[in-house]
Amino acid sequence: GAVVSQHPSRVICKSGTSVKIECRSLDFQATTMFWYRQFPKKSLMLMATSNEGSKATYEQGVEKDKFLINHASLTLSTLTVTSAHPEDSSFYICSARGGGFTEAFFGQGTRLTVV
Amino acid sequence: AQSVTQPDIHITVSEGASLELRCNYSYGATPYLFWYVQSPGQGLQLLLKYFSGDTLVQGIKGFEAEFKRSQSSFNLRKPSVHWSDAAEYFCAVGHNSGGGADGLTFGKGTHLIIQP
Repeated sequence: GAVVSQHPSRVICKSGTSVKIECRSLDFQATTMFWYRQFPKKSLMLMATSNEGSKATYEQGVEKDKFLINHASLTLSTLTVTSAHPEDSSFYICSARGGGFTEAFFGQGTRLTVV
Repeated sequence: AQSVTQPDIHITVSEGASLELRCNYSYGATPYLFWYVQSPGQGLQLLLKYFSGDTLVQGIKGFEAEFKRSQSSFNLRKPSVHWSDAAEYFCAVGHNSGGGADGLTFGKGTHLIIQP
């Protein structure tokens, strides 16, 4: 399989500030990256899909102005949670697809806590 | 729209016993199907996947799953569980976009508890 690294693994930020989460494909070129959100004891919900060099496609109900996604290179996508509030606290997981693989590979996830 | 149902929220199995986790999906064509395992606070580990071909799929850690189109099911099985199998298990379905599996739709998960 291929390796996807997500950073940071945990972050605590103050309400009203912005926080950036990085998702990197370490050994393949990720033409497509996906961002998911997982609430405590809940399933994963797809937030958005990003193709390298294109604007992200957001799922219904996801605020694109709050969750900014950038996929500027074939190895890096970022999710920025803007003006974070306590209700944005969650586990965010990325996955990346490319390099001839049919399936996407998941990062380790980022636990965001907004205080 | 595609959907995934995992009817069992919790399952308790004795160590050494067999296991079957149920998964039903709703999808208009032949989907990509996946089983993932998640330990607390961790990311997802792929156990196995079905894209096409043989409907009985072998995965890692001794797991297998069978795709049954007539029942829209993709149940996960293991003949003998180990205490280390205790975790959250997710079934997921994805659309074949031509370039691979699109963003996945996940079931709500089944929490597996192993009794000594």
